[in-house]
Amino acid sequence: KQEVTQIPAALSVPEGENLVLNCSFTDSAIYNLQWFRQDPGKGLTSLLLIQSSQREQTSGRLNASLDKSSGRSTLYIAASQPGDSATYLCAVSTSGSRLTFGEGTQLTVNP
Amino acid sequence: EAGVAQSPRYKIIEKRQSVAFWCNPISGHATLYWYQQILGQGPKLLIQFQNNGVVDDSQLPKDRFSAERLKGVDSTLKIQPAKLEDSAVYLCASSSLAQRGAIGEQFFGPGTRLTVL
Repeated sequence: KQEVTQIPAALSVPEGENLVLNCSFTDSAIYNLQWFRQDPGKGLTSLLLIQSSQREQTSGRLNASLDKSSGRSTLYIAASQPGDSATYLCAVSTSGSRLTFGEGTQLTVNP
Repeated sequence: EAGVAQSPRYKIIEKRQSVAFWCNPISGHATLYWYQQILGQGPKLLIQFQNNGVVDDSQLPKDRFSAERLKGVDSTLKIQPAKLEDSAVYLCASSSLAQRGAIGEQFFGPGTRLTVL
């Protein structure tokens, strides 16, 4: 059974700081990994999708890496802004297209 | 491109009552998912449809939950009767058919927040 863990559970940083969110998964036989953002009371917004054959994906100030063999992914956020405050969720796709989610990292960026 | 639509956005019911949620996926997306997200946790898949057929309902509590996707477009999720522990956000997502070597990216709706009293 696939299990996804995200560390830390919560993170508070000053504006402008670079930061890294961590995600680990127990079954390395994944099809892809997605990072999502969730604002309070809202649905999930897809940030980055990394296919199993890829090592990383970049979008603006975000960079996600994938190391399948070690069961790890990181989400790097450069020059953080207060608008980045949200919960960040990592999810992996194994059999079919079922996504297994971690419990998220709650990020607060202080002005 | 319109996103995934869900209604209602909020629902409050008494335990043992029934409730239904509606989802309209992104046009052309063959795959539709219902997730349950309990406060402080990540979403958990309840059921996955491919067109109007069920692909995965292994985590759906079938004694009280049911879902259908008639005509392979809109979907409804029903809870009958509701329990206190069903209080959660119910998220609908959709994706296009997977291309060879890649699984379709999932796009989520805003969710329905259910409170069972």
